[in-house]
Amino acid sequence: QKEVEQNSGPLSVPEGAIASLNCTYSDRVSQSFFWYRQYSGKSPELIMSIYSNGDKEDGRFTAQLNKASQYVSLLIRDSQPSDSATYLCAVKNTGFQKLVFGTGTRLLVSP
Amino acid sequence: DVKVTQSSRYLVKRTGEKVFLECVQDMDHENMFWYRQDPGLGLRLIYFSYDVKMKEKGDIPEGYSVSREKKERFSLILESASTNQTSMYLCASSSGTGGYQPQHFGDGTRLSIL
Repeated sequence: QKEVEQNSGPLSVPEGAIASLNCTYSDRVSQSFFWYRQYSGKSPELIMSIYSNGDKEDGRFTAQLNKASQYVSLLIRDSQPSDSATYLCAVKNTGFQKLVFGTGTRLLVSP
Repeated sequence: DVKVTQSSRYLVKRTGEKVFLECVQDMDHENMFWYRQDPGLGLRLIYFSYDVKMKEKGDIPEGYSVSREKKERFSLILESASTNQTSMYLCASSSGTGGYQPQHFGDGTRLSIL
């Protein structure tokens, strides 16, 4: 079992819709959770971090964390074509500085 | 804003050459990381460092070494480059020893070994 799992996609949504990206992780002691956006040929860019159960909102982005079920999700409201990218989920465990990355979900937002 | 600078965006080298990839961060971060990213395989950690002159092997250290002589600089060395080391190489840094600090990435170096 992979430590951090994401559906590779592509996830296709029309412009203006809500895009929902999901991530599950295997290590119950995971402490911190991050979402990165990566455009083709570019490096990952941090867009959200979440540490406690529940929702965290930042503009059009909402991160949701459920530690009991070991999943974290990212909602993008009012999706724009410029949101088309690969979204990487990353998990950090207590006492470690390493991040464990999923392989990413490719999102395509059509005009 | 955190700035992580990698010395080259594109690099072409020949098999057997010794290759140096340089990374500098300007935020006094303790931790620095080297990854490679290949299609279908995601990000894989090569080496990381949590202090000057300290290094730890990641998931795929074979064929690589690192150097951290100054806090702001972390170098990745391909001792004898091979074609299977053609990849995108990403440097990242993070602060502190707590569990809540994200990593910030440089722009990446696309390395081709011919």
